[in-house]
Amino acid sequence: GAGVSQSPSNKVTEKGKDVELRCDPISGHTALYWYRQSLGQGLEFLIYFQGNSAPDKSGLPSDRFSAERTGGSVSTLTIQRTQQEDSAVYLCASSPAGGRGRNQPQHFGDGTRLSIL
Amino acid sequence: RKEVEQDPGPFNVPEGATVAFNCTYSNSASQSFFWYRQDCRKEPKLLMSVYSSGNEDGRFTAQLNRASQYISLLIRDSKLSDSATYLCVVTPFYSNTGKLIFGQGTTLQVKP
Repeated sequence: GAGVSQSPSNKVTEKGKDVELRCDPISGHTALYWYRQSLGQGLEFLIYFQGNSAPDKSGLPSDRFSAERTGGSVSTLTIQRTQQEDSAVYLCASSPAGGRGRNQPQHFGDGTRLSIL
Repeated sequence: RKEVEQDPGPFNVPEGATVAFNCTYSNSASQSFFWYRQDCRKEPKLLMSVYSSGNEDGRFTAQLNRASQYISLLIRDSKLSDSATYLCVVTPFYSNTGKLIFGQGTTLQVKP
């Protein structure tokens, strides 16, 4: 498909376990973003990758959260020692480029629904 | 205070009605503004960008008031298919990353 692909679509795990969430951006998109959406809340920015630049990690809520993007394409978001408050939908988005241009729409994947028991 | 604030609603309107949503943002130097639409348990999708001069796309009209720091979305002749959550989105001036700051969304239910 041509869209942003995320896996798994659903993940249930026990508190304290580590989880890895995967994102395949749209081919050719240089910018990749991770957001999360808790129940009844708006989307919360987590981290942003743009080409080979250092990622903007300013939205990561704690040092248990990390992300990497290999080869400028696929990205993995890792949550270590998961807590119940980590339960949310984790959304990945990509766009042709970052920057402040108006016409840089971000295309979102379907998300990974993470539930911590 | 949240950076982007919206009335969560829900707004319940009959088909054919005109409905308006407002959104306020706190960072006066914010650069770009958007409305996204999110259907239940689906990903957000860009509805339209918002320009200072105001812009229209079919039944949808978006306005930006920089002086008052608010953004509006007007939907005319509402359809059942317009039922969704509408997310007000801004990008912060201080960052050139393109990261989006989302409001919590306004829920619209259009009834037959």
